[in-house]
This record gives sequence, structure tokens and C-alpha cells, in this order.
Amino acid sequence: NAGVTQTPKFRILKIGQSMTLQCTQDMNHNYMYWYRQDPGMGLKLIYYSVGAGITDKGEVPNGYNVSRSTTEDFPLRLELAAPSQTSVYFCASSYSPESQPQHFGDGTRLSIL
Amino acid sequence: AQTVTQSQPEMSVQEAETVTLSCTYDTSESDYYLFWYKQPPSRQMILVIRQEAYKQQNATENRFSVNFQKAAKSFSLKISDSQLGDAAMYFCAYRSGGGSQGNLIFGKGTKLSVKP
Repeated sequence: NAGVTQTPKFRILKIGQSMTLQCTQDMNHNYMYWYRQDPGMGLKLIYYSVGAGITDKGEVPNGYNVSRSTTEDFPLRLELAAPSQTSVYFCASSYSPESQPQHFGDGTRLSIL
Repeated sequence: AQTVTQSQPEMSVQEAETVTLSCTYDTSESDYYLFWYKQPPSRQMILVIRQEAYKQQNATENRFSVNFQKAAKSFSLKISDSQLGDAAMYFCAYRSGGGSQGNLIFGKGTKLSVKP
């Protein structure tokens, strides 16, 4: 019973590099989310998806891109890494957007040096 | 826009005692959900308890209960018989109802320490 799986768990990038954070869920959830958590702060929404082929921006989308080609996968792409993107990234999913709680992955700690 | 405020950056409780974590929120919506998440040092986000705004009865889950005051827009978490494993960051979160995209809006968190 894997739930929401994020890879990698840790990564160090140099400024200007690109990378993709992977997120997959095996619960057949339509709704998926990417959040970032900066030190001493709560989570903020980067992007979300309500189903395969449908994505939209959240509160802090600049510098990121997403795609949703399948129900299971929701990768987050950083094109030109900047120090301001140093954060912990969480992927989450839920069956419905309202009453059902979100299931979170274990997070990816990303440092941009 | 909805906001969530946790006014206690840190709290401390003696093992076996009771502690209450505060949360207030601001919204003009009538249909919404409120959650408390626990984040231990392992970084996992663990759902502790949830409350539907249309329910007047306060939610309870074993040692965890909430005091939901809708008019005051307050949603505090009470932890009874505190255990060492309760030490963690606790986040209050808001979620719109009624056809929203369903994302959570988080407070900044309260760090709870449990003293043996």
C-alpha cells in the first residue's frame, strides 16, 4: 500500500540547473497537488491538477512547470534553479477536493547552491 | 482570500498533561473544512483530525479533540494525556468546499515539545 511516493528524497542543485521531482500515487486519486514548505512556514500551493491533462497554477507557481499525462503521475519541473527555490517539496493527492483528506508524500528536500 | 493564523510558534507540555493549540482563520465562505496535521521530525504530514464547517459537533479522535467556534472563526486542537510521541510541528489548515480545487491553506505551524 504505497500511497503517494516522491523521489528523490534529497537533492542538491547548482544555480541554473534543471530537474524533475517525481510524484506518483496508486490510489486512483483525481486531485493532485504540489506544495513547498520554506523554513518556519506552512505549506504553499505551487500547482494542482484535477485530472489527467488538466493542471493549474497555485499561489507560488513562478519557476516551476507541471504535467499530468496519467492519473498516477504528477511531476514537478524546475527549469532554471534559483536559491529561492531551496525548500521542502510535498506532493499530495485526494479522491475528491472537499471532504476527503489529502494524502501526502514524504517530501523532497531540495537545496540550490 | 482565506487565511489561517497560528499565533503560538512554540508550545510545551508535560507528559500526561493537556495542551491546547490555537488556530484562527478568515473566510467569507460558508462551506469549508478544517484540518490539523502533525509533522514529526521525519517530515511526514499526518492528518490528526478534521472538521466539517456544517457540523456543530466538535470532532474527536482518541486523545485529540477540537473546539470549533464558527462565529469566532476559531479552531483549536486539544491534546489530552500528552505523550512523548506527540512532539512535532502542528499545522492548522483550511479547505474550501463547494466545487473548489481542494487545495489546503496552511498556518505557519506550532512546534510542540513534550517534557518527560
